[in-house]
Amino acid sequence: DTAVSQTPKYLVTQMGNDKSIKCEQNLGHDTMYWYKQDSKKFLKIMFSYNNKELIINETVPNRFSPKSPDKAHLNLHINSLELGDSAVYFCASSQDLPTASYEQYFGPGTRLTVT
Amino acid sequence: QQQVKQSPQSLIVQKGGISIINCAYENTAFDYFPWYQQFPGKGPALLIAIRPDVSEKKEGRFTISFNKSAKQFSLHIMDSQPGDSATYFCAASVTGGFKTIFGAGTRLFVKA
Repeated sequence: DTAVSQTPKYLVTQMGNDKSIKCEQNLGHDTMYWYKQDSKKFLKIMFSYNNKELIINETVPNRFSPKSPDKAHLNLHINSLELGDSAVYFCASSQDLPTASYEQYFGPGTRLTVT
Repeated sequence: QQQVKQSPQSLIVQKGGISIINCAYENTAFDYFPWYQQFPGKGPALLIAIRPDVSEKKEGRFTISFNKSAKQFSLHIMDSQPGDSATYFCAASVTGGFKTIFGAGTRLFVKA
């Protein structure tokens, strides 16, 4: 069973389009994240959700809107896509309790290419 | 103050050699320091982690050395193998902060 899954794995689209990436975790974790990894491999947090509530929003443009329908899912919708949005997007989850290891489990990534 | 500085950017090591990656941080509130390993086309995966109450942690061939006063920590890979070739990220977080800051990554290549 895949712990953290993302769909789609690849996404190629044109500038100006709107697209969504879905993420699901079956680990029972209460915290989920979206990260952006650019072409230089730099990994930057975009959002974190705890128990379906937005906790961290790292100065991400309003065109990016995360949605957490339940603790196991965190989707990312992107409006009016721009060339600079091309990157690999990773979903991750962790269990943030004092007794937990805080290990983040990452999904396989979604490679978004905007042309 | 939120940054984690990682070096070197890339590293080539002979098989059997020692790989050393260094990281430095500014925020003294950080209390969890993991290292993640990422293979091409995959998501990062936790390799080993340390909390500041210990100066060293070893798991197999991987060791974290932690210097609290210098605000530095490093990953040592002993007897490096070609299968260790990957990108390594150091990171830091504050317990309960819901945010992990990653270093810029080190691309390690182990020559056979």
